[in-house]
Amino acid sequence: SQQGEEDPQALSIQEGENATMNCSYKTSINNLQWYRQNSGRGLVHLILIRSNEREKHSGRLRVTLDTSKKSSSLLITASRAADTASYFCATAPRSNYQLIWGAGTKLIIKP
Amino acid sequence: DGGITQSPKYLFRKEGQNVTLSCEQNLNHDAMYWYRQDPGQGLRLIYYSQIVNDFQKGDIAEGYSVSREKKESFPLTVTSAQKNPTAFYLCASSTGQGGFVAEAFFGQGTRLTVV
Repeated sequence: SQQGEEDPQALSIQEGENATMNCSYKTSINNLQWYRQNSGRGLVHLILIRSNEREKHSGRLRVTLDTSKKSSSLLITASRAADTASYFCATAPRSNYQLIWGAGTKLIIKP
Repeated sequence: DGGITQSPKYLFRKEGQNVTLSCEQNLNHDAMYWYRQDPGQGLRLIYYSQIVNDFQKGDIAEGYSVSREKKESFPLTVTSAQKNPTAFYLCASSTGQGGFVAEAFFGQGTRLTVV
């Protein structure tokens, strides 16, 4: 079952601008993860944030988590053409080996 | 190099045929997953396995079968009972500690087409 919802479904920005994607979920989680998928390829893990963390950074990526609102955001700063991809959030519920996926945000970076 | 390998990359199936998609990992992960992805959509869980010789149905298991005889291998069979099998299939593996999932590692996918 899918509990994550990404917003927006699609985002097109100019190279160099920042891109922000949001994810909402419904149940209590142990952690939330963001992945990137280039067209026709497998998914690549970007960052994992635990339920007791509020913010995490990795290079040009910044992820925030608000468990009271059951939401997360992924910020990509100084976007590049190579960032063009679909981005998915996935939540890891407590005491469950599944990952629950959102439908993804398709990001297009215009040169 | 450690990783997860899916084969074949492209697969064509005739009506009424069963086909098997391969997934192998050398990451020593306990948990393995099969997902289906349709164009422009997210991932839907077909089956998952937390340990050898055990697996559970996901949200769309009908028309699919799996086995987990070895820790490294989790093949998926798409049976003739699956009426609309054309899709992109992704295999993943992960560690699990205390009942939750750490990061998942994905294969490059198998694109299955019914001809």
